[in-house]
Parts: sequence; C-alpha cells; structure tokens
Amino acid sequence: DGGITQSPKYLFRKEGQNVTLSCEQNLNHDAMYWYRQDPGQGLRLIYYSQIVNDFQKGDIAEGYSVSREKKESFPLTVTSAQKNPTAFYLCASRTGSGANVLTFGAGSRLTVL
Amino acid sequence: GENVEQHPSTLSVQEGDSAVIKCTYSDSASNYFPWYKQELGKRPQLIIDIRSNVGEKKDQRIAVTLNKTAKHFSLHITETQPEDSAVYFCAASSNTGKLIFGQGTTLQVKP
Repeated sequence: DGGITQSPKYLFRKEGQNVTLSCEQNLNHDAMYWYRQDPGQGLRLIYYSQIVNDFQKGDIAEGYSVSREKKESFPLTVTSAQKNPTAFYLCASRTGSGANVLTFGAGSRLTVL
Repeated sequence: GENVEQHPSTLSVQEGDSAVIKCTYSDSASNYFPWYKQELGKRPQLIIDIRSNVGEKKDQRIAVTLNKTAKHFSLHITETQPEDSAVYFCAASSNTGKLIFGQGTTLQVKP
C-alpha cells in the first residue's frame, strides 16, 4: 500500500454508532491528512496533523474526531453526530508541509445501514 | 477560507486530441500545485506538480502552467489515449500544511 495502510477496507455501521478508521504509515512522514470523497464533490479535507500531538480542523470536521499520539498513526473516528457518514475515506501523508508530495492510502469505504 | 475551483467537471475528447483542465485558487500564500489522477476504485496518484517559483513544467505528454498573478493553473494532456480516461484533481497547498483539492474532472477519451 505504498507505505500507508488503511483499515478496514470496507465497514458497515448502524446509525448512532461511532466507528474508528485506522491509518498507519511507515514513511517517516511528519504530516498526515484525512479526506472524504463523495461522487462529484472531489476530496474534502476533514482533519490534518503536521506533528505529533497536534492537529487542525479541515473544511468538514463536524462529526469527526482524530488523535495523533504517534508519528506513524492518525486514526479517524466518525461519530454519531456526523449526519451523512456514508462515503469513501482517504488517508494521506507527506514530509513536512508546503511543497511536498502527498501520498495516499488505498481508502476505507464506510456504509451506514 | 481557502478554495480551489476546477473546470470543467466532465471532459470528453477523441483519442489523439488535447485535453485542458483549469483551476483557480483563492489563497495567495499557496506555493505548491499538484495534479492527481484517480482511476476507478483506486487511490489518487500524483502525475505532475509545480511550485510557485516556476511558470511551466512538462513531463512527456503532460504539462502544467501556473499564473500566480491570476491565481490560475492548468493541466494540459496532449495526444490523449484511452488509458488517460480517469478523474483528475488539482490541489493547492501553502506552508500552513493545509492542502485543498478541486472538485475533480472526469476525462473520457474516446477511441
């Protein structure tokens, strides 16, 4: 998976349940990102983290939470407060910030039943 | 807030023709502009990028141009082939670390 592993690949959730998506990278990258992809809406930024123990909200952070306790890990929790959680979630990482290449994981598809 | 607008949303060309996708960005501090290609069911892959100190960059059939004054950058694909069919995303990033994507362009190359 190019050094970034997302799990699970597919996840089904009942309404009202929280679910956590895993993202692990072994690229020694400083920065990690979570994007949500819906048909026709591109990639929308949920949260990003440039260093351990620090993260910032993206454009659609409501209903989501993250943690960055380790450099290699950036899990995303989709809470019951997220109104429309069914989507494809992509994790990415890169060295530092600014003009550095972003590498994506294979994604996790969440379906709320 | 920062925004990236991408046009067109869909583009259909004949094999061998050129394709052009355009993006505009709002954050004047943006200094890095990558382009990604996403095939159906796969992760986005970087195809070319440009930094703010460069006006144009070319890699075989793909080129990107940047106009910092107009906050505008474009992807040019020449001699298109059926395997170029995919969704293409532009993006803009600044030193704050935030990287924002456009809405995507679905390119169809007809044989």
